[in-house]
Amino acid sequence: RKEVEQDPGPFNVPEGATVAFNCTYSNSASQSFFWYRQDCRKEPKLLMSVYSSGNEDGRFTAQLNRASQYISLLIRDSKLSDSATYLCVVNTPGTYKYIFGTGTRLKVLA
Amino acid sequence: DGGITQSPKYLFRKEGQNVTLSCEQNLNHDAMYWYRQDPGQGLRLIYYSQIVNDFQKGDIAEGYSVSREKKESFPLTVTSAQKNPTAFYLCASSIQDGETQYFGPGTRLLVL
Repeated sequence: RKEVEQDPGPFNVPEGATVAFNCTYSNSASQSFFWYRQDCRKEPKLLMSVYSSGNEDGRFTAQLNRASQYISLLIRDSKLSDSATYLCVVNTPGTYKYIFGTGTRLKVLA
Repeated sequence: DGGITQSPKYLFRKEGQNVTLSCEQNLNHDAMYWYRQDPGQGLRLIYYSQIVNDFQKGDIAEGYSVSREKKESFPLTVTSAQKNPTAFYLCASSIQDGETQYFGPGTRLLVL
């Protein structure tokens, strides 16, 4: 089993739609969780950190479910500019290792 | 403007040649990292450094070497021992372990 797993997609959604991605992780000792956005041939950029209580930033909401070992990202009112690959990242304290999922590709269609 | 810079943007390597990728940060971060990204794959850790004059191997260190003589700089050398070096190389930094990583714009390495 991979340490971090994501559905590769692509998720093709119309503008204005709500879309959700999940990411599962295998190490129960993991403590830090992040969602990054990566555009084609560019570096990953932080979208949001994921906190135990869940957090929201505008149209984006992230949740953590420790019992089932997954994190989720919800995007509301999708924009064309949201088209990108979304990377799930998990860190276990003391390791300096950030485990990246292979990413979920989102295409928002006009 | 604080951030991470990488150079060059594109690098061409001949067979048997060593090449060095530059990574500089002015974020005053202690930790720095090198990753490799291949098409359709997640980022894989090559080396990381927790602090100046210290570095540790990641998951795919064979054929690579690094140095950390200054806090701001963490260059990566791709040696001739790395048989499949064509990839997108990303440098990152964080204040410390577990904190947000910030990435440079990357270097694409191609073999001639």
